[in-house]
Amino acid sequence: DTGVSQNPRHKITKRGQNVTFRCDPISEHNRLYWYRQTLGQGPEFLTYFQNEAQLEKSRLLSDRFSAERPKGSFSTLEIQRTEQGDSAMYLCASSLQRGFYNEQFFGPGTRLTVL
Amino acid sequence: GQQLNQSPQSMFIQEGEDVSMNCTSSSIFNTWLWYKQDPGEGPVLLIALYKAGELTSNGRLTAQFGITRKDSFLNISASIPSDVGIYFCAGQMGAGGTSYGKLTFGQGTILTVHP
Repeated sequence: DTGVSQNPRHKITKRGQNVTFRCDPISEHNRLYWYRQTLGQGPEFLTYFQNEAQLEKSRLLSDRFSAERPKGSFSTLEIQRTEQGDSAMYLCASSLQRGFYNEQFFGPGTRLTVL
Repeated sequence: GQQLNQSPQSMFIQEGEDVSMNCTSSSIFNTWLWYKQDPGEGPVLLIALYKAGELTSNGRLTAQFGITRKDSFLNISASIPSDVGIYFCAGQMGAGGTSYGKLTFGQGTILTVHP
């Protein structure tokens, strides 16, 4: 399967713990995105990378959130000192950006539950 | 901030019926995309639109990019039970021949198909 993969698929943690999610994009894609989705809502943009450079971060991305894409391939999203409000589906997407053509393909997501 | 208004919020139809849903925005987008999401999974790209007025088909799906670049619609013809899911529109901005990164999503249309 050559689609976007995310691990783990589910994570249950206690409030105050740190969690880290991993995303492996489609191999030739130069852009990688993180979104967050809560029940009944569309995905909300968090941040994106072009190769290893983080080009944009949403105001939703508080100081407790950090994302990296160290070699321009896979990416990690870490949440420190988790809060119950962080419970959501975290989605990763990747794209091969060429001019305006920038179709984003999503992974299956990581469902985070903070108790 | 930017908002996409998607309607209707939900639809209950009989198998074989045609479906129409639309998305409007107060902002101009360079690209409109339509996604389908099944429960517990990431969104799957259905159709991407790049030119104002463009009409694009993908099997039983047809989508159009509004002339004002502020709206789009998606039609599904001869619905079948596997069309059940949540349909999202998403807009993407750009300038200088390049797309920006983030997608702005609508709230989704929940489609239920009765056999």
